[in-house]
Amino acid sequence: QVQLVQSGPEVKKPGASVKVSCKTSGYTFTGHYMHWVRQAPGQGLEWMGWINPYSGGTKYAQKFQGRVSMTRDTSISTAYMELSGLTSDDMAVYYCGRDEGSTSWGVDVWGQGTKVTVSS
Amino acid sequence: SYVLTQPPSLSVAPGKTARITCGGNNIGSKSVYWYQQKPGQAPVLVVYGISGRPSGIPERFSGSKSYNTATLTISRVEAGDEADYYCQVWDGEVVFGGGTKLTVL
Repeated sequence: QVQLVQSGPEVKKPGASVKVSCKTSGYTFTGHYMHWVRQAPGQGLEWMGWINPYSGGTKYAQKFQGRVSMTRDTSISTAYMELSGLTSDDMAVYYCGRDEGSTSWGVDVWGQGTKVTVSS
Repeated sequence: SYVLTQPPSLSVAPGKTARITCGGNNIGSKSVYWYQQKPGQAPVLVVYGISGRPSGIPERFSGSKSYNTATLTISRVEAGDEADYYCQVWDGEVVFGGGTKLTVL
């Protein structure tokens, strides 16, 4: 079955960077785009961008341009999201999600989430 | 930027029908996705496209849309349907609605 397993919780200081991984199994990694979505405590879902695992091409939400980087390692079927310049506003659960493949850009399978805490 | 508007909350008695709306300019021309999220869990896709359902999602969940409104309909509501529900479209970026908290009375 399709699985997306994310790395564990992170605690970072303001101004630092965080890198979250998303290891996939059960499907062809390069056949589906990967989205990253975050959710601040008590808030809704916020899209950060996607990566095309086949080409490495990316599209980032305008809000995160210049601060986010999405990469992948096809040899281990893993996607990564790195966010720099962390502030308390970046405290959230970060999710990876597999694009469902219809070019309408929806997520059909989600990772379990990675909690990022920003604290001095 | 494109905005999707959902009611913050909706309460429905068990066995009744819940209709969760998602308003957006010309949303009828877009593919709409609906997600269910229970506390402490990742979202789950429940409806996509016109009224597609991933495997494992009950037929009680269905979607529809008109020019400016998309609707998620949950028939014969059960206690286990209590959750937050989000609509989502693509408009140059992925856009989520603010979410609707469904309470089963």
